[in-house]
Amino acid sequence: EVQLVESGGGLVQAGGSLRLSCTASGFTFSNYWMSWVRQAPGKGLEWVANIKQDRSQKFYVDSVKGRFTVSRDNAKNSLYLEMNSLRAEDTAVYSCARENKEAAGFDFWGQGTLVTVSS
Amino acid sequence: QSVLTQPPSASGTPGQRVTISCSGSSSNIGRNYVYWYQQVPGMAPKLLIYKNNQRPSGVPDRFSGSKSGTSASLAISGLRSEDEADYYCAAWDDSLSGPGWVFGGGTKLTVL
Repeated sequence: EVQLVESGGGLVQAGGSLRLSCTASGFTFSNYWMSWVRQAPGKGLEWVANIKQDRSQKFYVDSVKGRFTVSRDNAKNSLYLEMNSLRAEDTAVYSCARENKEAAGFDFWGQGTLVTVSS
Repeated sequence: QSVLTQPPSASGTPGQRVTISCSGSSSNIGRNYVYWYQQVPGMAPKLLIYKNNQRPSGVPDRFSGSKSGTSASLAISGLRSEDEADYYCAAWDDSLSGPGWVFGGGTKLTVL
């Protein structure tokens, strides 16, 4: 059974840093692009970043470029999101999602971890 | 403001057919596949439609997707109470400022 479990969320002051983790199981993690998607309270989905299987390509939404860094450790079946210079508008539930190999979208999602940035 | 534009709400009665639109541009829907996700409040999103009109196994054929030019639509026929949820469209965007996934703002479907 495919499982994605996020951790590392919490309350942080504006300007602070946080590192999120996503641990994958039930599939060969190293074979998939992985993404981070966030959802602010009461708002819609917003894609944040993704990373290729071999870490050779990474893409980010404009609002986090230069502040967030996505990484992965295939040996540990883990995806990470290093978040620096956090702002109040970064407050959201952050979820990791698997990108299907056949261009079939985000086929599995984690339940997410809440990040709250206080101003 | 979302890159893809969806109506904020839609509604219908049980058994009815409803459609949800998603408008984009040449850099996203115009050249890439469209995906649809269903999200029940408090739950993770669920993939409903991929590659414009394909259904993952387990998704009822009451759900169908279509795409034309820079717009796409999700149709739900034989509306049921359990279809009440938020629906999001998504596409890859080949923007010059940096490629990435873009979502619509979401449509809240109410079954009256």
